[in-house]
Order: sequence, then structure tokens, then C-alpha cells
Amino acid sequence: EDQVTQSPEALRLQEGESSSLNCSYTVSGLRGLFWYRQDPGKGPEFLFTLYSAGEEKEKERLKATLTKKESFLHITAPKPEDSATYLCAVQAGQGGSEKLVFGKGTKLTVNP
Amino acid sequence: DTGVSQDPRHKITKRGQNVTFRCDPISEHNRLYWYRQTLGQGPEFLTYFQNEAQLEKSRLLSDRFSAERPKGSFSTLEIQRTEQGDSAMYLCASTGWVTDTQYFGPGTRLTVL
Repeated sequence: EDQVTQSPEALRLQEGESSSLNCSYTVSGLRGLFWYRQDPGKGPEFLFTLYSAGEEKEKERLKATLTKKESFLHITAPKPEDSATYLCAVQAGQGGSEKLVFGKGTKLTVNP
Repeated sequence: DTGVSQDPRHKITKRGQNVTFRCDPISEHNRLYWYRQTLGQGPEFLTYFQNEAQLEKSRLLSDRFSAERPKGSFSTLEIQRTEQGDSAMYLCASTGWVTDTQYFGPGTRLTVL
């Protein structure tokens, strides 16, 4: 069964203090790994899609990387507005399933 | 705004009542998905449509749940005889032909009393 584990569950940073969030996965043939940001009471907002090991994507203070077993979301010099829950999801290639399998998320708090 | 829209945003109902939610996907997106999210958890897949055909259903989708997408555009999710365990955020997502990225709507928050 496809599985996604995110760590830590919660992370508290000071503004400007860089860190990384981890997403470990087991999947029957990876079709894609997705990162989303979710603010309280809102739907997930798409950040990145990664397809193969070694791939990297960047957007402002965020950088996502992918290996065969895990993905990292690096946050450089975060600001308070980066506070949110970050969700990782995988889509399996085998069997043609369209569903995303999500982790529980990492709740990030950035203090000014 | 051309994103995914959902209606209503909030619904409070009594146990045993039926509820229906609507999702309007991004224009020209042929694939539509429903997920359910409870507090502290990631979204869980419920069902998937390609155009008007319902191609995939989760075991989570009990007999009390039904979803339709009659003309391949908007979709509805109905829950019959609601139970307190149905209280959750119901999320809709859509995607098009050239990408696998699913874009989510704002969700419908259901509270069953």
C-alpha cells in the first residue's frame, strides 16, 4: 500500500532561520510527488511537482528535492507569511490510479 | 477568479439529514476529484471522474455517499443519512489533459450535530 510519512509534525522557526521538511514515501512506481501549502480553513495550494530522483524545483524561498525514497522541502530565510501546513503527496504509476496519497503534513510556524 | 469553486463553504446539519455539495472545476479541466480531510490529517481520496465517467472510487465511499458529474462539467457529492463521523472538510480538485497536477478548491466544511 502506498504510504507517505512527513516529519517533523510541527516546526517552529525564527524569521530568517532556514530549515528543511522531510517527506518519506513508499509507492508502487512513482508517477509524481507533489508539495502543497495549506492555510487554516482553506484548500491546499499547489507548490511543486517532482517526477524523478535528482530533480529540483525552486520558488522564492522554497526549494524541493527528490530522491528514490524521500523528498525535502528546504525553506531559506523564512518569513512569518510562510507559516502554514505543508503537505506532501504521491501519485502511483502502476495500475493507473489517479489518486493522490497524502502525508499528515508539517505545521510550520515562523515567528518574527 | 478562474480557480476551482465549491458551494457551500460551510454546512451544519443534524444527524440523519441528507446534504449535497457542488464543485465547479477549472474551465476545460476534464478530470475531477473529491477528497475528505479531517483535523490533523492529510486529504483522503474519495472518487475520480474523467469527463462524466466515474472511474475510481475509494473504499471510504460508503453506500451513503454518491457523486455525479452529469455533463462532464460541475460535480455534486451527496451524503445520505449523515453521521457525526462525516464531519470533515470536503475538497474538490481538478486537472486537465497536459498535467497531473491537481488544483484544489477552498473546500466545504461539514459539521454534523
